[in-house]
Amino acid sequence: NAGVTQTPKFQVLKTGQSMTLQCAQDMNHNSMYWYRQDPGMGLRLIYYSASEGTTDKGEVPNGYNVSRLNKREFSLRLESAAPSQTSVYFCASTQGRGTQYFGPGTRLLVL
Amino acid sequence: SQELEQSPQSLIVQEGKNLTINCTSSKTLYGLYWYKQKYGEGLIFLMMLQKGGEEKSHEKITAKLDEKKQQSSLHITASQPSHAGIYLCGADNSGAGSYQLTFGKGTKLSVIP
Repeated sequence: NAGVTQTPKFQVLKTGQSMTLQCAQDMNHNSMYWYRQDPGMGLRLIYYSASEGTTDKGEVPNGYNVSRLNKREFSLRLESAAPSQTSVYFCASTQGRGTQYFGPGTRLLVL
Repeated sequence: SQELEQSPQSLIVQEGKNLTINCTSSKTLYGLYWYKQKYGEGLIFLMMLQKGGEEKSHEKITAKLDEKKQQSSLHITASQPSHAGIYLCGADNSGAGSYQLTFGKGTKLSVIP
């Protein structure tokens, strides 16, 4: 099992450009999450999907949209990237109230 | 939402020394998760604690959840360079119909050979 995979691993964008971060899990988990990690701020929840077909806002949803494409895949979209969105993005998944398993992360630099 | 404070923020220890990292919550912890992160990588799950007074060990790492379920400690015995990294605690942020974790800001551990 690959666990949780994320693409791309690294991306550079110019202000105003758009992009989609992809996440997939092969553990048959119901719930999936998107976090961002910034120095001194820790991990903050952007959006989550408790089950296929549902999505909810987390702590810092502004500037992002998500799509739960199917049970395996959960994507995060930046419609108009801003320098404040420079961060490391992590996807995670879990089954019920179990342990969250994390992907390797996507490093995003917005110039 | 819960507030999670980790201490210390960073720690430098000599190889072979013991160390403790603390995670304190402003509210009752319904579940407490410890993760380790190496620079540039994802989070690796270490242990999960749910019951007050619970203690779990894996190799040289022991985690405890206090009786009042508002504080957890992570203890490393005889530290090794392989223990270096960032340790994060995550708290079960219980809510009706939802399941989220709130994370501390992390403790950066350096182990000097």
